[in-house]
Amino acid sequence: DADVTQTPRNRITKTGKRIMLECSQTKGHDRMYWYRQDPGLGLRLIYYSFDVKDINKGEISDGYSVSRQAQAKFSLSLESAIPNQTALYFCATESTGQGINIQYFGAGTRLSVL
Amino acid sequence: GESVGLHLPTLSVQEGDNSIINCAYSNSASDYFIWYKQESGKGPQFIIDIRSNMDKRQGQRVTVLLNKTVKHLSLQIAATQPGDSAVYFCAENRKGAQKLVFGQGTRLTINP
Repeated sequence: DADVTQTPRNRITKTGKRIMLECSQTKGHDRMYWYRQDPGLGLRLIYYSFDVKDINKGEISDGYSVSRQAQAKFSLSLESAIPNQTALYFCATESTGQGINIQYFGAGTRLSVL
Repeated sequence: GESVGLHLPTLSVQEGDNSIINCAYSNSASDYFIWYKQESGKGPQFIIDIRSNMDKRQGQRVTVLLNKTVKHLSLQIAATQPGDSAVYFCAENRKGAQKLVFGQGTRLTINP
């Protein structure tokens, strides 16, 4: 089983719909992240959380919200989806210690907003 | 603005040849850099890291070189194999920051 699991893997929705993307992890990491990837571009940070009570905005948080339900779960919501939110979304956890933090990614959710 | 970027978006090499993927960065205050590999349909996967106080680090078939004078980072893959085909990202952790900044990625294609 994957250490970082994202559901669904693919989703097609319509403009204006509310969408939730879910992420769960079995790595026991406190830190979790949501990224967006567009064709030809790198990863852009949407939100991140360092523990259950900590939520922080990334560089492109507008139009998104998150919920950290437990150490193992971090959900991303699009309250009213729009076409330019069509992208590949990745969740990641992060190990800390020894001075270098390594992020572990899920397989991604491909979202299309029509 | 500050950025982590790549010189070339695509790179094609013959199977068995060595590959060199480059990355330029503009922020001098970095703790370390990480290279990630993203295969088709998968999330990025950690390959190797290098601290900012190092010039070179070697892994299995991979070597990362850091030139702080010209703010350049490279990933060398020896004897490339079909399984090396992927998009490679460099990522930077800036001192005092609590998140990675990713480059745009280079697509490596291995020709038989």
